[in-house]
Amino acid sequence: DAKTTQPTSMDCAEGRAANLPCNHSTISGNEYVYWYRQIHSQGPQYIIHGLKNNETNEMASLIITEDRKSSTLILPHATLRDTAVYYCIVRPGSGSARQLTFGSGTQLTVLP
Amino acid sequence: GAVVSQHPSWVICKSGTSVKIECRSLDFQATTMFWYRQFPKQSLMLMATSNEGSKATYEQGVEKDKFLINHASLTLSTLTVTSAHPEDSSFYICSARDRAGYTFGSGTRLTVV
Repeated sequence: DAKTTQPTSMDCAEGRAANLPCNHSTISGNEYVYWYRQIHSQGPQYIIHGLKNNETNEMASLIITEDRKSSTLILPHATLRDTAVYYCIVRPGSGSARQLTFGSGTQLTVLP
Repeated sequence: GAVVSQHPSWVICKSGTSVKIECRSLDFQATTMFWYRQFPKQSLMLMATSNEGSKATYEQGVEKDKFLINHASLTLSTLTVTSAHPEDSSFYICSARDRAGYTFGSGTRLTVV
């Protein structure tokens, strides 16, 4: 799977948008960008995924650059409960049986 | 959405004893489940891939005789930590493939004393 690079940590003020970047310059044409988050001492939670078009759901928006070498996860109105480690993972789509490989992720701290 | 139930959420055991962790897919069938281990302030590391009706596939460096995996049905996979030692203390997390992608259990905090 393509390697991803994320900042180690970020802070965000409560109520503001949190923009989490991810670089994946070696992504292949058939690989999707997945985002998960892990709140302390819990299992990872799926957030969103996309191939090349921007995606939005009730949790977040995913912006993928035209060359697909980077993406940004946007939490439009961060709350204290969004404090977590956010993982950007690049891998083939859900049809693949391969596991998710986790990098170091970004520790997002939402400040009151 | 898909739900994966993992039990127990935490367990304390004595050194030398064995501990079993269960992972159940509640509303879908999972032919493949994954077991991860996470040490404090580190990321999740894949231990093994559990396949229903066949032997598990272990990652390099993971002792298959110490971490016994059984996936006897389409909704249940178990991880047994045999002869546990303090260095096995960790956060163990299972994951199952569903139609949309991957769903994770809530994790099991194992402390070996």
